[in-house]
This record gives sequence, structure tokens and C-alpha cells, in this order.
Amino acid sequence: DIQMTQSPSSVSASVGDRVTITCRASQGISSWLAWYQQKPGKAPKLLIYAASSLQSGVPSRFSGSGSGTDFTLTISSLQPEDFATYYCQQANSFLGVFTFGPGTKVDIK
Amino acid sequence: QVQLVESGGGLVKPGGSLRLSCAASGFTFSDYYMSWIRQAPGKGLEWVSYISSSGSTIYYADSVKGRFTISRDNAKNSLYLQMNSLRAEDTAVYYCARVRKGMGHFDYWGQGTLVTVSS
Repeated sequence: DIQMTQSPSSVSASVGDRVTITCRASQGISSWLAWYQQKPGKAPKLLIYAASSLQSGVPSRFSGSGSGTDFTLTISSLQPEDFATYYCQQANSFLGVFTFGPGTKVDIK
Repeated sequence: QVQLVESGGGLVKPGGSLRLSCAASGFTFSDYYMSWIRQAPGKGLEWVSYISSSGSTIYYADSVKGRFTISRDNAKNSLYLQMNSLRAEDTAVYYCARVRKGMGHFDYWGQGTLVTVSS
């Protein structure tokens, strides 16, 4: 099975900071990668799919890049509502398994 | 608008059974693949199961294979998860989620239902 790792596991940042989260797959997954944001007590929300496509309604300060095994989620200018936990997900349905990364918590510095 | 509403969670003893339901509205349910994803208290997300639009293709995580059964009733716009032989480690919030057409990510999620397995 494909394993997903994320780094860092947590990051402390200030409003206005640029934040970058990395996700790595144990084997190549082309661009089959999604990113989600989850706030405490709420369901996850889709931010990015196909590695770099922005989900409708998501602010443009969020961006994704990468392919193969290495992927990045970038928040260009952190806003107060962005403090949350972020998960990557391997999204290749042909593999018959959908693995999430362990999550990265973004909190206030 | 797309809505997914889970129900059926609760407290169950180890070895017991529970059936979760997910009522879908706001989209043509029979056109979409669906999935169950869970989150143990204070932990990350774990994908559980996936079913194609017709129900002909089904996948399970190894952790639930042989114990959980996913199904759907397109006439009732409903998704189900039958959970048998429950263990303490199955304690989690269970979310149903819609799979984006032709893709493998989850574009809409329900609010979740809590399953607690404890004696």
C-alpha cells in the first residue's frame, strides 16, 4: 500500500506569513493528490485536487504543486481563519485504497 | 445544495453491530461514487470504504475488511455502512463523503456521526 507522510507535523505562524506544507507518497501517484482543511469539530473541506487545481470557492491564497511523490500546499498570506489542520490524500481510485497523510496543524505563533 | 447527513451512531459493546446511514440530497445520487471515512478522537483521517455508483465496485481498508459492509440504495438516495464485530479501535466519528466524478478525492462531506465501542 502507498504510505503518505507530511512535514512538518505542526507549524506556528503569524497572520500574513507564507506557510508551506509538504506531502510525500511512498511511490509515484502522478497528480492524484488532494488537500483538505479541517477545523476542530468540523468535517474536512476540500481545498486542492489533482495536485494543483483549486476547489471552487477556495481563496486563491491557497495553492498546490507537485507530481509523482512530492507535493506542496502553500498558503501565500496566512489569515486568521486558516488556523486549522491540513491533510493530504492519495486520490488514485484505480489503486483501490485512499490514504490520508497524518496531518499538519497550523497554529498561532 | 449538496447535503450529506449521517445517522445511526451511538454506544455499542465490543463484538456488537451498528448500521450507519447517510442521506444524500441536492445532487443526482445515483451518478456518484461514495465513501466512508473515519476519525478517531484526537487522531487523523482514515479512509474506510468506497462504493461505485451502481454498487458493483467496492473497496475496504484492511482494518475493516471482513467486518464492515458498504451498500447503497439509489432509489432512496442513501448510503449505508454495516459494522459487525466492533472493536474499541473502531471508536471514531464516521463521515460519508461524495467522490468527485472520474477522480478519487472527496468533494463533499457530511457532518459525521460518532460511534463509541466500549463495555
